[in-house]
Amino acid sequence: RKEVEQDPGPFNVPEGATVAFNCTYSNSASQSFFWYRQDCRKEPKLLMSVYSSGNEDGRFTAQLNRASQYISLLIRDSKLSDSATYLCVVNAYSGYALNFGKGTSLLVTP
Amino acid sequence: GAVVSQHPSWVICKSGTSVKIECRSLDFQATTMFWYRQFPKQSLMLMATSNEGSKATYEQGVEKDKFLINHASLTLSTLTVTSAHPEDSSFYICSARVGTSTDTQYFGPGTRLTVL
Repeated sequence: RKEVEQDPGPFNVPEGATVAFNCTYSNSASQSFFWYRQDCRKEPKLLMSVYSSGNEDGRFTAQLNRASQYISLLIRDSKLSDSATYLCVVNAYSGYALNFGKGTSLLVTP
Repeated sequence: GAVVSQHPSWVICKSGTSVKIECRSLDFQATTMFWYRQFPKQSLMLMATSNEGSKATYEQGVEKDKFLINHASLTLSTLTVTSAHPEDSSFYICSARVGTSTDTQYFGPGTRLTVL
């Protein structure tokens, strides 16, 4: 079983729509959680960290459910520039490397 | 955010040659750098963890004699793909951890390697 699993999509949504991505992780000892964004043929860029209490950054809201080992990302009022692959990332041990999901592809259309 | 550079950004080489990729942290010191590889439509897979001044720790299935890692300073780590073959063609990305009390990592722009 993969450590981090995501629905690969693609998600095709119109501009202005709200879209949600889900992710599950297998290691209950995981400590840190992130969403990264990766554009085609580019490196991943940190979108936001995910905290147990949930956190929001503008149009982006991240939630973490440790009991269910489940992470989500909600994007409101989608923009064309949001089109990218969104990577769910988990760090099991402080200072260790990150475990990446395969990513969920989002295409926002006019 | 912190800046990590990689060089070269892309390289095409013949089978059997060796390719060196550099990863630099430009405005901070990175005691730990990580090397990942990403095949098309796949997730990033960790190859090795590189600590300044010590030997790299390789993930299972990654040949340490084929992928040589050197982390000679707090701002530079190099990955050398020795005797490259077409199956080594991939997107190689390094990342650097900022400080010791955070898990945040910043990624280099990646190196696209094509072996003919």
